[in-house]
Amino acid sequence: DSGVTQTPKHLITATGQRVTLRCSPRSGDLSVYWYQQSLDQGLQFLIQYYNGEERAKGNILERFSAQQFPDLHSELNLSSLELGDSALYFCASSVGFGRVAEAFFGQGTRLTVV
Amino acid sequence: GDSVTQMEGPVTLSEEAFLTINCTYTATGYPSLFWYVQYPGEGLQLLLKATKADDKGSNKGFEATYRKETTSFHLEKGSVQVSDSAVYFCALTYDTDKLIFGTGTRLQVFP
Repeated sequence: DSGVTQTPKHLITATGQRVTLRCSPRSGDLSVYWYQQSLDQGLQFLIQYYNGEERAKGNILERFSAQQFPDLHSELNLSSLELGDSALYFCASSVGFGRVAEAFFGQGTRLTVV
Repeated sequence: GDSVTQMEGPVTLSEEAFLTINCTYTATGYPSLFWYVQYPGEGLQLLLKATKADDKGSNKGFEATYRKETTSFHLEKGSVQVSDSAVYFCALTYDTDKLIFGTGTRLQVFP
């Protein structure tokens, strides 16, 4: 158990809908990272928050957004969903920034868009 | 741009066989290199890392050496076990917050 909790584990939704994925980082970790793992794109970095502030942005679509709350949990919002958004979404957390290699990953949320 | 290339899988081996999973990278500078492992139904776990040329990372019998001259970071293990069956990802970072991953290589070990 990495200590990073992601909910839900599985999500099935229709095209055009909006979903929210939740991540609770390990106790004491201030950085949260979101990654998307899909069959065609592989593992792609989406976005990172550190202590409530956006710190780094990767290949995140405009239809996607994220935030980190004062209690340090993070949510990834995916809207106007398309079939191609079906993927495994991972959250990871680490103590600080610039230390992504020390991050612990959650088990992921598997999103299926039908 | 920076990228990581891994050998296509699946790699299928018998227990106690020698394992090599190739990884090469393209980078403008001198990144740190990593191997992650993803067991079925789980998230990624850091397996080993190397931060500069000629460094050797090792963990759980796995080893990889950072070769700047060949821009490679091949993963090796002398004797694999069924429990090593997983997907292995090679990755790089410049000590920022962005990991660049390879496509992953599935390893299947049979008794």
